[in-house]
Amino acid sequence: QKEVEQNSGPLSVPEGAIASLNCTYSDRGSQSFFWYRQYSGKSPELIMFIYSNGDKEDGRFTAQLNKASQYVSLLIRDSQPSDSATYLCAVEDSWGKLQFGAGTQVVVTP
Amino acid sequence: GAGVSQSPSNKVTEKGKDVELRCDPISGHTALYWYRQSLGQGLEFLIYFQGNSAPDKSGLPSDRFSTERTGGSVSTLTIQRTQQEDSAVYLCASSADLAKLFFGEGSRLTVL
Repeated sequence: QKEVEQNSGPLSVPEGAIASLNCTYSDRGSQSFFWYRQYSGKSPELIMFIYSNGDKEDGRFTAQLNKASQYVSLLIRDSQPSDSATYLCAVEDSWGKLQFGAGTQVVVTP
Repeated sequence: GAGVSQSPSNKVTEKGKDVELRCDPISGHTALYWYRQSLGQGLEFLIYFQGNSAPDKSGLPSDRFSTERTGGSVSTLTIQRTQQEDSAVYLCASSADLAKLFFGEGSRLTVL
């Protein structure tokens, strides 16, 4: 079992709709959770982080964390073509090491 | 510096040759990570340096891979006797705030 699991996609989303991305992790000791965005041919960039159970909103992005279910999600509201990218879920494990999922490709269609 | 700097940006080598990749992290960042990303794949953890602590090398795929970090700053990743399966983009990232990583542009390695 991989430590961080994501659906690979592609997730096709109409422009203006909500994109919902999911991530599960195996290490119950994990405390910090991150979403990175990676455009094709580019390096990942941090877009959201969350440490506590519940929701965290930043602009059009909302991260949701449920530690009991070992589940973290990312919602992108009012999706734009510029949101088309691969979204990587990252989890800091019990040893302070950041583990990444394989990423979910999002395609926003005009 | 303004960001994480990696060199070379592109390296083509022949199977069996040694290669050295360099990472210059953001000034003041104590944590440094190396990841590997094959085409269309996620990020594979290789190694993690945190300050003066012993590095976490648990992700290095074989003993052909070695790393150094000098003076808590610049890091090199050396791959000896390269194989075709070593072809990938090698990404370096640094962090001041644990796990909020800033990535370099990567070094694309192609082994012929």
